Amino acid sequence: EVQLVESGGGVVRPGGSLRLSCAASGFTFDDYGMSWVRQAPGKGLEWVSGINWNGGSTGYADSVKGRFTISRDNAKNSLYLQMNSLRAEDTALYHCARDPGSYWGNWFDPWGQGTLVTVSS
Amino acid sequence: DIQMTQSPSSLSASVGDRVTITCRASQGISNYLAWYQQKPGKVPKLLIYAASTLQSGVPSRFSGSGSGTDFTLTISSLQPEDVATYYCQKYNSAPPSLTFGGGTKVEIK
Repeated sequence: EVQLVESGGGVVRPGGSLRLSCAASGFTFDDYGMSWVRQAPGKGLEWVSGINWNGGSTGYADSVKGRFTISRDNAKNSLYLQMNSLRAEDTALYHCARDPGSYWGNWFDPWGQGTLVTVSS
Repeated sequence: DIQMTQSPSSLSASVGDRVTITCRASQGISNYLAWYQQKPGKVPKLLIYAASTLQSGVPSRFSGSGSGTDFTLTISSLQPEDVATYYCQKYNSAPPSLTFGGGTKVEIK
């Protein structure tokens, strides 16, 4: 069974940093591109960042460019999101999601349950 | 940037009704469109990709159509378990820009 399990969320002050992780299982992780998608409380979905199968290509939403960094460790079947200079508007449930191919930039299936990030003073 | 606009933002229909949700792109996106279902408190689930291709395991009462700028998601006979928010998503531009519509909340009347 394909599983994506996020961790690392929590409460952080504005300007602070947090590193999210996503542990993948049930499929050959380095065959697939991956993304992070977030959902603010009671709001819609927003793509945050994507990475191709070997980490050689990444992309970011304008809202996080320069503050967030996506990476992966294929030996550990893990995806990461380093979040710096956090703002109140970054408060959201962060999901990792799999691309159907080895690149990023397509649809997402499946999605992890998410990890909640709250930015508050 | 290409914007995705869904309508209506919410709807209420009776069990057995035919339900149609519209997604409009601000520029043509060929058929690079996906649809998701998010039930209350749950993770989004892929229903359709490439505008009209049904994901494996999705009931056949769901269908998608459209190309260019105008797309529709149709539920042919609404069931109680279809209560959810539905999102469209564009993909596969160069460079990739992945944008969701604002969502359509479907309720049972």
